[in-house]
Amino acid sequence: DTEVTQTPKHLVMGMTNKKSLKCEQHMGHRAMYWYKQKAKKPPELMFVYSYEKLSINESVPSRFSPECPNSSLLNLHLHALQPEDSALYLCASSQVGREAKETQYFGPGTRLLVL
Amino acid sequence: AQSVTQLDSQVPVFEEAPVELRCNYSSSVSVYLFWYVQYPNQGLQLLLKYLSGSTLVKGINGFEAEFNKSQTSFHLRKPSVHISDTAEYFCAVSSGFQKVTFGIGTKLQVIP
Repeated sequence: DTEVTQTPKHLVMGMTNKKSLKCEQHMGHRAMYWYKQKAKKPPELMFVYSYEKLSINESVPSRFSPECPNSSLLNLHLHALQPEDSALYLCASSQVGREAKETQYFGPGTRLLVL
Repeated sequence: AQSVTQLDSQVPVFEEAPVELRCNYSSSVSVYLFWYVQYPNQGLQLLLKYLSGSTLVKGINGFEAEFNKSQTSFHLRKPSVHISDTAEYFCAVSSGFQKVTFGIGTKLQVIP
């Protein structure tokens, strides 16, 4: 099973709203990732959690706040977003370690529209 | 530093014809290489990967790719495409440490 699930599939929010994106995997992976993908562009890495600790933050604005409550769950809390933050948000997971070669498996994404 | 170049932004091909999507990479260390496919309004699905060993890698949906170290290439091929192969294809490279660099993508358009 190489399934990563994401909820919700679609989200519309105003610039003053607070919302959260959720990602879940049950593959025993200990690394989880958030990516942002704009139309006709490749995914851009935002955050990486390794063993439930934030290991990479690609200089993402503080209006995006990640959280990894346990090894299977990854959240992205959204607050005071801008219209330019509208995009497809992808979650991925992978094993960690030299043998794993870190193949990333992606979820279906949450399509976010900020009005 | 690592980078990926996908030379073609769009590739139109007739149904049942062969196709090759080109990918070149650069890295100062050993790399792992991947091809992902993205269907409209969906996430990325892993097609195939090269980690080590045989340079010819077979993936899902009849795709294969060949790792060529001397030419720093990892081209994706399929001998006969189907309408359902219409999608965006991303080549990606990783040297470990959890950072994957994606190419800009190639849109494969299969013409009936």
